[in-house]
Amino acid sequence: SQTIHQWPATLVQPVGSPLSLECTVEGTSNPNLYWYRQAAGRGLQLLFYSVGIGQISSEVPQNLSASRPQDRQFILSSKKLLLSDSGFYLCAWSVIVGQEQFFGPGTRLTVL
Amino acid sequence: SQKIEQNSEALNIQEGKTATLTCNYTNYSPAYLQWYRQDPGRGPVFLLLIRENEKEKRKERLKVTFDTTLKQSLFHITASQPADSATYLCALSVMDSNYQLIWGAGTKLIIKP
Repeated sequence: SQTIHQWPATLVQPVGSPLSLECTVEGTSNPNLYWYRQAAGRGLQLLFYSVGIGQISSEVPQNLSASRPQDRQFILSSKKLLLSDSGFYLCAWSVIVGQEQFFGPGTRLTVL
Repeated sequence: SQKIEQNSEALNIQEGKTATLTCNYTNYSPAYLQWYRQDPGRGPVFLLLIRENEKEKRKERLKVTFDTTLKQSLFHITASQPADSATYLCALSVMDSNYQLIWGAGTKLIIKP
């Protein structure tokens, strides 16, 4: 069966510090991968998605970036965090774009 | 403008009754509409997907309807249980956004014993 891992589960970082969140998927090949951010009481905002190794599409201009160095690994990064980067970050995968997505446990990021 | 609306107020339902949640959208022509469940501090869990040419889809105690004329989906949970308490999110997949999902803010459902 397929599983998706995200770490860390929680993170508290000062403004201006770098960020690296990692997501890995097991049990499937060539998944579509997604990074979302969810603010409290809000819907999910798509940040990046990837349909293959090295292929990244950005949905929202911001100080975040994403990379997919391996088929089942997706990394979200920032060189300098802003207060507005605080939120709940979710990684997800799907077999077919537009159809059901499967989410990781999420990372709660607080920028102080 | 394009938007997806779900009732922002929590829905309180007595155990055993049918819970009905609404998802309305404007200015989209979705290929698919999906419903997810999200518990506090966790990622959403996929429940059901309905296609633009389908009117209704069922899975155990869950039923989804999709009216593309009204631009509305209804999500029903029959014989509701306290364990059904969660936030329920709807999401649209539209061609204009490369079929990426566009999400509603969710409705919190509380089932009282």
